Amino acid sequence: GNSVTQMEGPVTLSEEAFLTINCTYTATGYPSLFWYVQYPGEGLQLLLKATKADDKGSNKGFEATYRKETTSFHLEKGSVQVSDSAVYFCALYSGGGADGLTFGKGTHLIIQP
Amino acid sequence: EAGVTQFPSHSVIEKGQTVTLRCDPISGHDNLYWYRRVMGKEIKFLLHFVKESKQDESGMPNNRFLAERTGGTYSTLKVQPAELEDSGVYFCASSRTRGAHEKLFFGSGTQLSVL
Repeated sequence: GNSVTQMEGPVTLSEEAFLTINCTYTATGYPSLFWYVQYPGEGLQLLLKATKADDKGSNKGFEATYRKETTSFHLEKGSVQVSDSAVYFCALYSGGGADGLTFGKGTHLIIQP
Repeated sequence: EAGVTQFPSHSVIEKGQTVTLRCDPISGHDNLYWYRRVMGKEIKFLLHFVKESKQDESGMPNNRFLAERTGGTYSTLKVQPAELEDSGVYFCASSRTRGAHEKLFFGSGTQLSVL
């Protein structure tokens, strides 16, 4: 079946540091890949997505590239801010079986001023 | 436009009791999904409604869980009787188009604690 593995954290960084959150996946077919973010007290929000190999998703300074050869979709940001503190979830949708998304466990990111 | 609304935001019950969670999707969204995150685990898909019909309930853990969406508007998820392992955060999400996960909107969740 489908699965997503991501570093669990918490990850603590200083403001303006470079961020990488690793995500690898196992899936049948050719899934679409997503990063969702959950800010404190809020629901999950789509951060970025990629639907095919070598696609790069980007939003709010975050980027992730769909790497089929390594089955990875690592999230990166060049300079994090305190406001980026949140829980980040990597997810996939393969469409061939269950209707829902397959999520990783989430990574709690803490940015210190 | 109002977002996806869930209530209660928190519920604390004792083992063996019944709890009903409610989700109001965005108006006009035919697709409604329930997910659950148990502490320290992944967010897991539970089921998917299209209007009032269950399209996929492959993620429902067992028959203590009953989801309904009468009239194709709001949905309820009832747990009866609740067990300790049912504790977690229950998320609801909605979308206008089936399979359009880039246009999926989530509620802020119901934190369920079973003591």
